[in-house]
Amino acid sequence: EDQVTQSPEALRLQEGESSSLNCSYTVSGLRGLFWYRQDPGKGPEFLFTLYSAGEEKEKERLKATLTKKESFLHITAPKPEDSATYLCAVRSSGTYKYIFGTGTRLKVLA
Amino acid sequence: NAGVTQTPKFRVLKTGQSMTLLCAQDMNHEYMYWYRQDPGMGLRLIHYSVGEGTTAKGEVPDGYNVSRLKKQNFLLGLESAAPSQTSVYFCASSPGATNEKLFFGSGTQLSVL
Repeated sequence: EDQVTQSPEALRLQEGESSSLNCSYTVSGLRGLFWYRQDPGKGPEFLFTLYSAGEEKEKERLKATLTKKESFLHITAPKPEDSATYLCAVRSSGTYKYIFGTGTRLKVLA
Repeated sequence: NAGVTQTPKFRVLKTGQSMTLLCAQDMNHEYMYWYRQDPGMGLRLIHYSVGEGTTAKGEVPDGYNVSRLKKQNFLLGLESAAPSQTSVYFCASSPGATNEKLFFGSGTQLSVL
């Protein structure tokens, strides 16, 4: 059974204090790993797709990386507007299902 | 461009009542999904559809039914609502094989008393 575990559950950072969020996954065969951002009261918004170990994607202060067992979302010099819940999801080969982790709630203090 | 639209945004039901949540997308996407989101449990897949006229069960399908009679619409039904179905429901769509990212609606807050 496909599983996604995210850590930490919550993270408080000072503005400019870089950190990383972790997404560990177990799948029979990875078709893709996805990162989303969710603001309170809204639906998740797509950030990145990663397909194979060693792949990296960047967008502004965010960089996502992928190994065979986990993915990291690195946040460099975060700003208060980066505060949100970050969700990780996987899709296995041969399925149409996207399985989500429980998310990391990030709070960046000014 | 509306994207994915969910109606209603809020609803309160009494135990045993029935209702239908509507999801409409105007992007001609093949795949559509219904998730529920509960505190501490993340997004859990209820049902999904990979094309008009098709549906399949997700992780937590019990107590729910779905239909996709038209490509742009995906309906989620609760035949006899229970307090355990109190949740925020999200619909999502995806173009399919050519682009796998999910586009989400803004959610429906459902309370069952």
